Amino acid sequence: GNSVTQMEGPVTLSEEAFLTINCTYTATGYPSLFWYVQYPGEGLQLLLKATKADDKGSNKGFEATYRKETTSFHLEKGSVQVSDSAVYFCALSDLDTGRRALTFGSGTRLQVQP
Amino acid sequence: SAVISQKPSRDICQRGTSLTIQCQVDSQVTMMFWYRQQPGQSLTLIATANQGSEATYESGFVIDKFPISRPNLTFSTLTVSNMSPEDSSIYLCSVVTGTGRTDTQYFGPGTRLTVL
Repeated sequence: GNSVTQMEGPVTLSEEAFLTINCTYTATGYPSLFWYVQYPGEGLQLLLKATKADDKGSNKGFEATYRKETTSFHLEKGSVQVSDSAVYFCALSDLDTGRRALTFGSGTRLQVQP
Repeated sequence: SAVISQKPSRDICQRGTSLTIQCQVDSQVTMMFWYRQQPGQSLTLIATANQGSEATYESGFVIDKFPISRPNLTFSTLTVSNMSPEDSSIYLCSVVTGTGRTDTQYFGPGTRLTVL
């Protein structure tokens, strides 16, 4: 079956530090990959996506590259801000199996300190 | 994209009662899902809400406990029946827009349910 594994949190960084949140996946088919963000007290927002190998998704200074050879989709940001404090979820959908619903990782809480 | 609203945004309910959550989308969508997010946990798919037919439930979720209606392509309801404290969670509806590899899933703001 499909699964997504994320690094354990919380991740605590100082403002302007470099961020990496690791995400690896297993999938039956050729999945599309997503990062969602959940700010405190809010619902999930799509942060970025990539649909094929070597695609780079980017948004709000965050980037992630679809690495098929390592089955990874790590999230990076060069300089985090306090406002980036949130829970980040890596997810996949596997169209080849006809499953449009998302499979989520466990989430990684990011805390950015001023 | 899609704009999704949910009602209620939160509720506190007594054990043994039921709560119906509404999900409204601003455009017609084919695929709609219901997820549960237990405290401090990730999201788990409850079911796919099918327009005009019975919902498709994931393993561990049953229609008697989580009946779902989908009367048209913009609206769905999820009922949490005979609630217990273990049902305290955030319930989110989501929709898929686009086709094939361009499709994207968007989420409603969620309904935060506390069962006493």
